[in-house]
Amino acid sequence: GAGVSQTPSNKVTEKGKYVELRCDPISGHTALYWYRQSLGQGPEFLIYFQGTGAADDSGLPNDRFFAVRPEGSVSTLKIQRTERGDSAVYLCASSLSGGMGGSPLHFGNGTRLTVT
Amino acid sequence: TQLLEQSPQFLSIQEGENLTVYCNSSSVFSSLQWYRQEPGEGPVLLVTVVTGGEVKKLKRLTFQFGDARKDSSLHITAAQPGDTGLYLCAGALYNTNAGKSTFGDGTTLTVKP
Repeated sequence: GAGVSQTPSNKVTEKGKYVELRCDPISGHTALYWYRQSLGQGPEFLIYFQGTGAADDSGLPNDRFFAVRPEGSVSTLKIQRTERGDSAVYLCASSLSGGMGGSPLHFGNGTRLTVT
Repeated sequence: TQLLEQSPQFLSIQEGENLTVYCNSSSVFSSLQWYRQEPGEGPVLLVTVVTGGEVKKLKRLTFQFGDARKDSSLHITAAQPGDTGLYLCAGALYNTNAGKSTFGDGTTLTVKP
């Protein structure tokens, strides 16, 4: 079946611009996560959605980062006034359920963001 | 300071050799996962361990969770070129969402034919 789909796969933008990254989770998965992976490092948690609501946004680095999931399926990560330090691979993952005993995460292939 | 330290950072071996990679922490985890990630792709879950001392086997891969739930190891027997990739460990701290994982920086394994 279809896995987690992320678009675009690559995005190059200029410093100061606004970008949107999209994630289509596996159908029926209620939990959705955004992670960021810098070169040579492991993924770093950004935000977790359970349904439509952001249950935990403690990983967002600052207020330039925002994410939505208005209908409990597709999610968009939005970055305002991009900086060169935002360059990384942004990974989305979904799972059948979240919470303490959550089911396994299924990751997409990520969006590689380059800020010039 | 990384919450999860993985070692070695890089490992290059010949086909047929055995290897062990490690994931260590001073924190206690409710569960720990191992993932494999290939270039241009997202991490793929290999195993989840939840009980201290637990050992799980997946074909030629053996995973162990430390008794104190602070560390884990991955042993590969008779490595093959197809095992090449980045191996990541990730843990969920107690009383946190299981998907809000803390990842190590990984071990990059290269198996030469």
